[in-house]
Amino acid sequence: AQSVTQLDSQVPVFEEAPVELRCNYSSSVSVYLFWYVQYPNQGLQLLLKYLSGSTLVKGINGFEAEFNKSQTSFHLRKPSVHISDTAEYFCAVITYSSASKIIFGSGTRLSIRP
Amino acid sequence: KAGVTQTPRYLIKTRGQQVTLSCSPISGHRSVSWYQQTPGQGLQFLFEYFSETQRNKGNFPGRFSGRQFSNSRSEMNVSTLELGDSALYLCASSLEGTLNTGELFFGEGSRLTVL
Repeated sequence: AQSVTQLDSQVPVFEEAPVELRCNYSSSVSVYLFWYVQYPNQGLQLLLKYLSGSTLVKGINGFEAEFNKSQTSFHLRKPSVHISDTAEYFCAVITYSSASKIIFGSGTRLSIRP
Repeated sequence: KAGVTQTPRYLIKTRGQQVTLSCSPISGHRSVSWYQQTPGQGLQFLFEYFSETQRNKGNFPGRFSGRQFSNSRSEMNVSTLELGDSALYLCASSLEGTLNTGELFFGEGSRLTVL
């Protein structure tokens, strides 16, 4: 069965510092991978996705993620964070199957300190 | 272009009652999927509808049901409410009616409190 693990429930960083949010998945078949962001009192918004091709994926707001098949990881990175990046970030996976379902990780709360 | 609209945004019910939540997708989107978000269980997939047919279903009891109308608007219903049903219910729409590409556009959610 597929699963998604976000290793850090909370990540505090200083403004303008780099950040990495970790995501590992488990699946016996090929997957699609996603990162979504949820700002306070809002729904989720797609940050970026990996479907195939280049393993380095660039998304909105300066975020990028790298798909590592051997380590089954899809970590999210940003070289310099801003106060406005304060939000909860969710990693998600969909498997290639006839009954596709999306599985979300438990989320990582990113808090930015001035 | 209007986004995904969910109503009501907040509601309070008591145990044993039932509730109906509504979701209007982005114009032109034929797929609507529903999710339950709680602090303990996180985000869990409930079901997906495409062109008025249920395509996928998560691991929730039969008390949770849904439907989709010809205009793509969707409703979900929870019967015989339990305290554990208190959650934020999120709806998402997508263009091609499949979860395969993950192009989901979420509404702001309906926050249900069961007393």
